[in-house]
Amino acid sequence: AQSVTQPDIHITVSEGASLELRCNYSYGATPYLFWYVQSPGQGLQLLLKYFSGDTLVQGIKGFEAEFKRSQSSFNLRKPSVHWSDAAEYFCAVGGLSGSRLTFGEGTQLTVNP
Amino acid sequence: DTAVSQTPKYLVTQMGNDKSIKCEQNLGHDTMYWYKQDSKKFLKIMFSYNNKELIINETVPNRFSPKSPDKAHLNLHINSLELGDSAVYFCASSQVGGGIFSTDTQYFGPGTRLTVL
Repeated sequence: AQSVTQPDIHITVSEGASLELRCNYSYGATPYLFWYVQSPGQGLQLLLKYFSGDTLVQGIKGFEAEFKRSQSSFNLRKPSVHWSDAAEYFCAVGGLSGSRLTFGEGTQLTVNP
Repeated sequence: DTAVSQTPKYLVTQMGNDKSIKCEQNLGHDTMYWYKQDSKKFLKIMFSYNNKELIINETVPNRFSPKSPDKAHLNLHINSLELGDSAVYFCASSQVGGGIFSTDTQYFGPGTRLTVL
């Protein structure tokens, strides 16, 4: 069965600092990996996705993520956080057989001024 | 232009009532989904329809019945509402899904916050 673990429930960073959100997955075949962001009271917006090819993926809003098969990880990074990045971030894994996305439990990001 | 829309945005109702949530997508996608997000923000898929046919049906009580009148709409009807049904329900859609090749991105609606009193 596929699963996703986001080890950090809550992270606080200062505005302008760098950010890394961790994501570990379990999947029996080639995984398709996603990061979504959910702002308060809003739906989920796709930040980036990895299907194949270059393991460093660029997304919107200055985010990037790196797929590391050996570590079963897909960590999200941003070099300089903005106050508007405060939100809940979800990592998800999907793949063949049914588009069933499995989400992690989310990481709540707080940005201090 | 709204890609995936849901109505209502908020729904407050008494235990035992029957309610429906509607979802529409104007992206021309073939596949639509319902997810439930609980109070701890955990998202779990409930159902998926591909071209009006049910393809994913997770372990969901029979009180929940999805209906897809056409591939642009996927409604969720809930009978005999219980306190534990209180959650945010998200609709999503994607271009390709349910077959042997499912890599397409799912686009989510804004959610419907259901509160059962």
